[in-house]
Amino acid sequence: DAKTTQPTSMDCAEGRAANLPCNHSTISGNEYVYWYRQIHSQGPQYIIHGLKNNETNEMASLIITEDRKSSTLILPHATLRDTAVYYCIVRVVGSGAGSYQLTFGKGTKLSVIP
Amino acid sequence: DAGITQSPRHKVTETGTPVTLRCHQTENHRYMYWYRQDPGHGLRLIHYSYGVKDTDKGEVSDGYSVSRSKTEDFLLTLESATSSQTSVYFCAISRSIVDPNTQYFGPGTRLTVL
Repeated sequence: DAKTTQPTSMDCAEGRAANLPCNHSTISGNEYVYWYRQIHSQGPQYIIHGLKNNETNEMASLIITEDRKSSTLILPHATLRDTAVYYCIVRVVGSGAGSYQLTFGKGTKLSVIP
Repeated sequence: DAGITQSPRHKVTETGTPVTLRCHQTENHRYMYWYRQDPGHGLRLIHYSYGVKDTDKGEVSDGYSVSRSKTEDFLLTLESATSSQTSVYFCAISRSIVDPNTQYFGPGTRLTVL
């Protein structure tokens, strides 16, 4: 899996957009970008994933640069409940038996400020 | 909400006793996983299952066994609990057999072995 780099922490004002960057300069052509988050004392939560086109769902938007070396997760209107650690991971879809382990790095601790 | 429940949610036990944790899903997905999460080690896969009676080892399987006799239940057993198995245990499922990287996690079980 390609290595990812994320800022250690970020603050965002409540109601504003939270833009969380992720660098993955060694990404391969068949690797997808996945985002998860973990709110304190809860299980990790899948947010969104994409290959090269921008993606949007009810939780967030994912913007992947044209060269695919970086991406940004956007929470359009952050709330206090979005305070969490956000993880960017890069994986090949359907990697095969025995490689389903999700490995999270240190992630970005997002604090949403009232 | 992926319809995943874990029981018990908290347990304190003594060294040498057997412990069984239960993961229950309501959506009949094939792939289920057991992870443990510890400070400094992140999320580590213990065992996973790709169908009834089909299970395999993950990264940290020593001291653990699993069973899956029904699609909806995946049991994790610590045959003889040790203090090093004090951890938070998460169960997860994949909704897609094409993309097992998209995983949905249960609320976790906090296990303390004295």
